[in-house]
Amino acid sequence: NAGVMQNPRHLVRRRGQEARLRCSPMKGHSHVYWYRQLPEEGLKFMVYLQKENIIDESGMPKERFSAEFPKEGPSILRIQQVVRGDSAAYFCASSPPSPGYTFGSGTRLTVV
Amino acid sequence: AQSVTQLGSHVSVSEGALVLLRCNYSSSVPPYLFWYVQYPNQGLQLLLKYTSAATLVKGINGFEAEFKKSETSFHLTKPSAHMSDAAEYFCAVSDRGGAQKLVFGQGTRLTINP
Repeated sequence: NAGVMQNPRHLVRRRGQEARLRCSPMKGHSHVYWYRQLPEEGLKFMVYLQKENIIDESGMPKERFSAEFPKEGPSILRIQQVVRGDSAAYFCASSPPSPGYTFGSGTRLTVV
Repeated sequence: AQSVTQLGSHVSVSEGALVLLRCNYSSSVPPYLFWYVQYPNQGLQLLLKYTSAATLVKGINGFEAEFKKSETSFHLTKPSAHMSDAAEYFCAVSDRGGAQKLVFGQGTRLTINP
């Protein structure tokens, strides 16, 4: 039973480019969450999705960031026109409809 | 709004000594509480969770935590530290209903001295 799969593990983008981060939840999990971890900080909630629905996006920056969880395929976190301040580790987690997540290994985004 | 405070950003103990990592939460109603561990360049692994059953919760790797409502605390302990316990530990809180959005503490980096 594979865990939460995130790819790529490392992503380097130049300022102004787009970053696409992918997350495949655990089998049987219908809830997906994205978190961002800045250096020397804890994780901050970004968005909570179920299939084809954004349930809570209260942690998403108002501009340049979007997320989706289509009926088929992985969840995607998209960052347009990246800036240096977007450099961070982005973690996806999934859960069944009960407390307790399983986290992926993260995507470490570096903007140069 | 919920919040989590982890006292001590760095904790250092000797191998074989007691590990105590402190976590206090702020919530208007008894929440769900979690401890996660993060090894370098890894994701977070769930150590244990409190969801209103027994107040003393046992987790993996010999860790346990006790929910104390009167103190709004959920401290993590392990009787005897092992070198492999060196990692970053995060306490988190969520509401009981609705979205399971987690609010994390700032983390405590645990160092084990030989």
